[in-house]
Amino acid sequence: SQTIHQWPATLVQPVGSPLSLECTVEGTSNPNLYWYRQAAGRGLQLLFYSVGIGQISSEVPQNLSASRPQDRQFILSSKKLLLSDSGFYLCAWSTGLLYEQYFGPGTRLTVT
Amino acid sequence: AQKVTQAQTEISVVEKEDVTLDCVYETRDTTYYLFWYKQPPSGELVFLIRRNSFDEQNEISGRYSWNFQKSTSSFNFTITASQVVDSAVYFCALLSSGSARQLTFGSGTQLTVLP
Repeated sequence: SQTIHQWPATLVQPVGSPLSLECTVEGTSNPNLYWYRQAAGRGLQLLFYSVGIGQISSEVPQNLSASRPQDRQFILSSKKLLLSDSGFYLCAWSTGLLYEQYFGPGTRLTVT
Repeated sequence: AQKVTQAQTEISVVEKEDVTLDCVYETRDTTYYLFWYKQPPSGELVFLIRRNSFDEQNEISGRYSWNFQKSTSSFNFTITASQVVDSAVYFCALLSSGSARQLTFGSGTQLTVLP
């Protein structure tokens, strides 16, 4: 069966510090991968998605970036965090763009 | 443009009551997919169901049932005989086969089931 992992589970970082969140998927190959952010108040915002290694699509302008160095690894990064980057970050995978997405446990990021 | 509206921000029921969560969607595409997800306090979104626009048959899975009506652009979710473990935020979502191809979520409904 497929599983999706995210780490760390929680993170407290000062403004201006770098960020690296990692997501890995097991039990499937060539998944589509997604990064979402959920701010307080529940709305889910798609940040990035990837259909293959090195292929990243950005949905909103921001100071975040994503990379996919391996087939089942998706990384969310920032060079300098802003207060507004605080939130709950969720990684998800799917077998195709028109199929259901399965979500990881999330990373709760607090920028102080 | 795609849009999903969940007008009920919060619902509170007593255990064993039935509860319906409303979802209304907007899309210009003729081929699209609708989803429901559950987000318990732990935070992880749990996939519940996927329906495509060509299949309007209602679906039942245990205590859960879904009513899809294209005429009213609605995809409502009913929990029968609710339980405390059903307490969570529930999200309705839309995915169109058009150029957007991204999952659009509603704002969610917080369901609280009281013992």
